[in-house]
Amino acid sequence: EPEVTQTPSHQVTQMGQEVILRCVPISNHLYFYWYRQILGQKVEFLVSFYNNEISEKSEIFDDQFSVERPDGSNFTLKIRSTKLEDSAMYFCASSEGLAGVDEQFFGPGTRLTVL
Amino acid sequence: LAKTTQPISMDSYEGQEVNITCSHNNIATNDYITWYQQFPSQGPRFIIQGYKTKVTNEVASLFIPADRKSSTLSLPRVSLSDTAVYYCLVGDFNRDDKIIFGKGTRLHILP
Repeated sequence: EPEVTQTPSHQVTQMGQEVILRCVPISNHLYFYWYRQILGQKVEFLVSFYNNEISEKSEIFDDQFSVERPDGSNFTLKIRSTKLEDSAMYFCASSEGLAGVDEQFFGPGTRLTVL
Repeated sequence: LAKTTQPISMDSYEGQEVNITCSHNNIATNDYITWYQQFPSQGPRFIIQGYKTKVTNEVASLFIPADRKSSTLSLPRVSLSDTAVYYCLVGDFNRDDKIIFGKGTRLHILP
């Protein structure tokens, strides 16, 4: 069964450093997403991406965040200057169609720890 | 996106049927009802989706009354491995390209 993969599984970084989280969505999917989950809290939407551009983003997704699909298979989330409060589990997801009707497939997540 | 309300937590025993009800009084004509499951330290996983009446798959059943203002996820004969958080979501199939998760229902299965 096809699945979304994410690397690394765990990333530790110093405050102020840049991090790039990587995802390989399911190959025939057209919609891509990043979510985050701070320990013990709910899953929060960050950004959705379709047709090589951001289609929607949340208030959390400020100028420190960016996404890219550099080569047709990878989908990355970059945090330019990490803060302590960016420590969370980051989930990538993909779907064939719009989230309102199509199942989103989530990856296993990357645990980001900012020291 | 219609607001949903579901119990914060539920306990049940192995072998029992578990029903988790979600209310969505402001559901719109184009909205579908979807349930996701999340195990600790894992990404959410789609369980089931429906528009009206009843939907059943190998994992669960989803009951939706005629007014669609609520829905009930039914898990038959639960096991310890069904301990997870269950999220009820309502979305517009013509428009929504994101999922807004609530706090979900934390289901704890006891031996």
